[in-house]
Amino acid sequence: AQTVTQSQPEMSVQEAETVTLSCTYDTSENNYYLFWYKQPPSRQMILVIRQEAYKQQNATENRFSVNFQKAAKSFSLKISDSQLGDTAMYFCALDSNYQLIWGAGTKLIIKP
Amino acid sequence: NAGVTQTPKFQVLKTGQSMTLQCAQDMNHNSMYWYRQDPGMGLRLIYYSASEGTTDKGEVPNGYNVSRLNKREFSLRLESAAPSQTSVYFCASRSGYNTEAFFGQGTRLTVV
Repeated sequence: AQTVTQSQPEMSVQEAETVTLSCTYDTSENNYYLFWYKQPPSRQMILVIRQEAYKQQNATENRFSVNFQKAAKSFSLKISDSQLGDTAMYFCALDSNYQLIWGAGTKLIIKP
Repeated sequence: NAGVTQTPKFQVLKTGQSMTLQCAQDMNHNSMYWYRQDPGMGLRLIYYSASEGTTDKGEVPNGYNVSRLNKREFSLRLESAAPSQTSVYFCASRSGYNTEAFFGQGTRLTVV
């Protein structure tokens, strides 16, 4: 069975600090996609970043970057220069054919 | 650009009542999904429709039925609501495998 595990239920950091959220997964597929989504208090789900397993280069989107370790099946999200607006739930997801397999989420709080 | 529209946003049901959650997308997406979100459990897939004319069970289908009315619309029906179905429900759509999923605003359902 394919699974996604986020081992940090909650994290908090000071504004402007860097924070890393962990995600591990399990799949028997060789090519797949991984996603990070954020869910602010508004409940809206927003795509943060996407990584294709075949690409060795880690994806980056402005202040957001990933550390993708395919052999270790690890897909962590790094947020640099954190801002108050980054406060949200963050979900890691594995794309398996037509389904997205989701982790339980990490609640990230950015403190002023 | 409306994206994914879910109705209603809030609903309170009595045990045993039935209701249908409506979802429509205007992005010409092939795949549509229904999830439930419970605290500490992330998103769990109820049903999905990979393409118009097809529907498949997800992780937690018991107590629910779906209809892919056309390419735009995908409804979720609770035939006899139970307190265990108290949750936030999300509809999502995307073009296909490895593409970004777009979410509705969610429906907070309480069954008393």
